[in-house]
Amino acid sequence: GESVGLHLPTLSVQEGDNSIINCAYSNSASDYFIWYKQESGKGPQFIIDIRSNMDKRQGQRVTVLLNKTVKHLSLQIAATQPGDSAVYFCAENSAHNAGNMLTFGGGTRLMVKP
Amino acid sequence: GAGVSQSPSNKVTEKGKDVELRCDPISGHTALYWYRQRLGQGLEFLIYFQGNSAPDKSGLPSDRFSAERTGESVSTLTIQRTQQEDSAVYLCASSAGLAGFKQYFGPGTRLTVT
Repeated sequence: GESVGLHLPTLSVQEGDNSIINCAYSNSASDYFIWYKQESGKGPQFIIDIRSNMDKRQGQRVTVLLNKTVKHLSLQIAATQPGDSAVYFCAENSAHNAGNMLTFGGGTRLMVKP
Repeated sequence: GAGVSQSPSNKVTEKGKDVELRCDPISGHTALYWYRQRLGQGLEFLIYFQGNSAPDKSGLPSDRFSAERTGESVSTLTIQRTQQEDSAVYLCASSAGLAGFKQYFGPGTRLTVT
């Protein structure tokens, strides 16, 4: 079936460096993508989203890039800080029996070294 | 409150007992989702409610799991005859449904079956 997957389960970066978290998707019909951050002991929190009519969207220290040709999504975090240590999930919209909903990838753990 | 709330935050139960987990979605959100997250793993979809449509139960792992939602308000997830493999964090999320895919997550209920 359709799925969203990640290239790297764990990413370790030095504080101050830029981080790039990657995500591959297989449903060419998906038109909405979203990134969540989950800190230990908490529920996932929205970071940034993007629609398929865009290639790039920027937020505060974060940028999401969408390459529809190769069905690839990435999250870039500038000047990574210790507070960025968390698990990051990408998700795409998909059709389910009751309507559209998000399908989540497996997650990438980001570890920031001081 | 403005966010999704869940109760209890922690639940310890003996194997074989039934448990009920509660989710209060954001007011006005027509869609509600339950996920299971085992330690160190990703989000496992369980069930999806969208308005008055029949719920999408395709993610429920066994007939010991059931969920109800009253209108567009509170939802309860019930696990009967709990097993040790049911130990996990159960996350609830809500969204504006057909008007928006972005899901807002609650803090989760950590269930421990002894």
